[in-house]
Amino acid sequence: GAGVSQSPSNKVTEKGKDVELRCDPISGHTALYWYRQSLGQGLEFLIYFQGNSAPDKSGLPSDRFSAERTGGSVSTLTIQRTQQEDSAVYLCASSWQGGNTEAFFGQGTRLTVV
Amino acid sequence: AQKITQTQPGMFVQEKEAVTLDCTYDTSDQSYGLFWYKQPSSGEMIFLIYQGSYDEQNATEGRYSLNFQKARKSANLVISASQLGDSAMYFCAMSRIQAAGNKLTFGGGTRVLVKP
Repeated sequence: GAGVSQSPSNKVTEKGKDVELRCDPISGHTALYWYRQSLGQGLEFLIYFQGNSAPDKSGLPSDRFSAERTGGSVSTLTIQRTQQEDSAVYLCASSWQGGNTEAFFGQGTRLTVV
Repeated sequence: AQKITQTQPGMFVQEKEAVTLDCTYDTSDQSYGLFWYKQPSSGEMIFLIYQGSYDEQNATEGRYSLNFQKARKSANLVISASQLGDSAMYFCAMSRIQAAGNKLTFGGGTRVLVKP
């Protein structure tokens, strides 16, 4: 597709379960970002990929959060042993390599932990 | 560390009028970028406009213009001739101009409701 695609769009999970969120960036975009949007914390940076490597993981809130990117394309954000405070909208964005170009966002995955 | 402040949590604007959304920032970096994004109820973040810290002219994109006052560390967004479709959340954001990525620091957002 032409834009950033995220799946699922909505996910309800039980506390303690693991979840995987997927992001398919715009073709050719080498930079990929994950953000989290919640009522209490606003929009927070989680992790940045350049190609398949993640030079900046500074925003991951705990070791229950991890992410990978394969083939310089699709990325998966995994949350292990989910907690209620993980409930949020997880947004993925992609852009051309480096520089100060705009990032294009997906529509997000709304995660609800019950 | 970078910080973005949007002091207007919400505002109403009459259709066809102009509206200014405030954004102030704090950074010790010399090189940085300033962005505005729109988030309608669908949830997607839509890029509106960009201003580099070294750009001398204010950025404009159609009905959007960025009033950049570097000494005051402000980057206000002006939307001219508001339309009903402009009703959304608006986020100001900044980035560090560096080789390793372009991660954004966001403000808390301003909700705009355009009245017919």
